[in-house]
Amino acid sequence: EVQLVQSGAEVKKPGESLRISCEASGYSFTTYWITWVRQMPGKGLEWMGSIDPSDSYTNYSPSFQGHVTISADRSMSSAHLQWSSLKASDTAVYYCARHGSRSFQHWGQGTLVTVSS
Amino acid sequence: QSALTQPPSASGSPGQSVTISCTGTNTDVGAYNYVSWYQHHPGKAPKLIVYEVSKRPSGVPDRFSGSKSGNTASLTVSGLQAEDEADYYCSSYVVRNNWIFGGGTKLTVL
Repeated sequence: EVQLVQSGAEVKKPGESLRISCEASGYSFTTYWITWVRQMPGKGLEWMGSIDPSDSYTNYSPSFQGHVTISADRSMSSAHLQWSSLKASDTAVYYCARHGSRSFQHWGQGTLVTVSS
Repeated sequence: QSALTQPPSASGSPGQSVTISCTGTNTDVGAYNYVSWYQHHPGKAPKLIVYEVSKRPSGVPDRFSGSKSGNTASLTVSGLQAEDEADYYCSSYVVRNNWIFGGGTKLTVL
């Protein structure tokens, strides 16, 4: 069974750094791309970027390019989303999703990130 | 790139059918047969219900069907049930491994 298990909720202050994780199991990690999706409070889903775990080639939405970094650790079958300096506007739920058939076939449970002073 | 356009809300009574539209451009929805739809109950993970315009993953009831004409894709939910009440999002492949979502539609079962 394919599973994506994300790291737990985080509460951070503006300016702090953060890395959240998405651990994959039940399939060959390097075979399928992983995407990160943001959902701000009361808002819709936004594609942030995607990574090919086989070679760590990464695509970012122009809206997120330069603000976040997506990476993958093949040894841990994990994908990561990180910020070097959080802003209050980064408060959101972040989902990872595994690709399949040009869609987001399997989803993690989401990680709530709260940034507040 | 702007989000795909979906109506903010849709509604229907149990047993009825409702159709949700998703309008893009000739660089996304109109360019590829890679439109997918997701059902999202608040507080839960989104769930893929339609991929490649009209295909259903295993386990998704055939009450959910997708189609596309030109730059507009549609999701039809037939025989509405109470558990269908959720937010629905369309998504399209754009180009060079880029993606875009619709703004979402809140489906209410009256």
